Amino acid sequence: GAGVSQSPSNKVTEKGKDVELRCDPISGHTALYWYRQSLGQGLEFLIYFQGNSAPDKSGLPSDRFSAERTGGSVSTLTIQRTQQEDSAVYLCASSEGGQGHQPQHFGDGTRLSIL
Amino acid sequence: DAKTTQPTSMDCAEGRAANLPCNHSTISGNEYVYWYRQIHSQGPQYIIHGLKNNETNEMASLIITEDRKSSTLILPHATLRDTAVYYCIVRAAGGYQKVTFGTGTKLQVIP
Repeated sequence: GAGVSQSPSNKVTEKGKDVELRCDPISGHTALYWYRQSLGQGLEFLIYFQGNSAPDKSGLPSDRFSAERTGGSVSTLTIQRTQQEDSAVYLCASSEGGQGHQPQHFGDGTRLSIL
Repeated sequence: DAKTTQPTSMDCAEGRAANLPCNHSTISGNEYVYWYRQIHSQGPQYIIHGLKNNETNEMASLIITEDRKSSTLILPHATLRDTAVYYCIVRAAGGYQKVTFGTGTKLQVIP
């Protein structure tokens, strides 16, 4: 079946511009996560959605970062006034639910480069 | 979550079984063992997970010791495409879970 789909796969933009990153989770998965991964680094948690609600936004680095999820499916991560330190791979993951032991399934990420 | 320890790197001949160990001596009774891998320039890929029984799927087998303090991921017939960093993590069931990876094991499959 279809996995987690992210778009665009690569994004190059100038400092100060806004960017939108999209995530299509696996159909039926109610839990959705955003992470970012800098070169050679581990995963940094950003935000968790259960359905359309975001019970945990604690990982968002600043108020320039926001995310929404509509219809319990597609999610968009928006970064306003991008800075060079925002350059990273942004990963989305989904799982069947927020409870239990279901694994998270990841997309291949959006590689964001800020010039 | 319990801490895990994995060897930094391993080599495996193509076509042979790759056995990747993981120590999790402080694992709690309700914590599962999960394995992921990350191939260069791709997102992490879920492989398998288990609580105490051995598990097998189309990708791999997971062998968990009786005391649950260690486990082994087995790729039965390694191919060049299995070259990746393999991560063993331990997480409790219930509630949402943030995935965090340690340094993992860099598996190099050699032709």
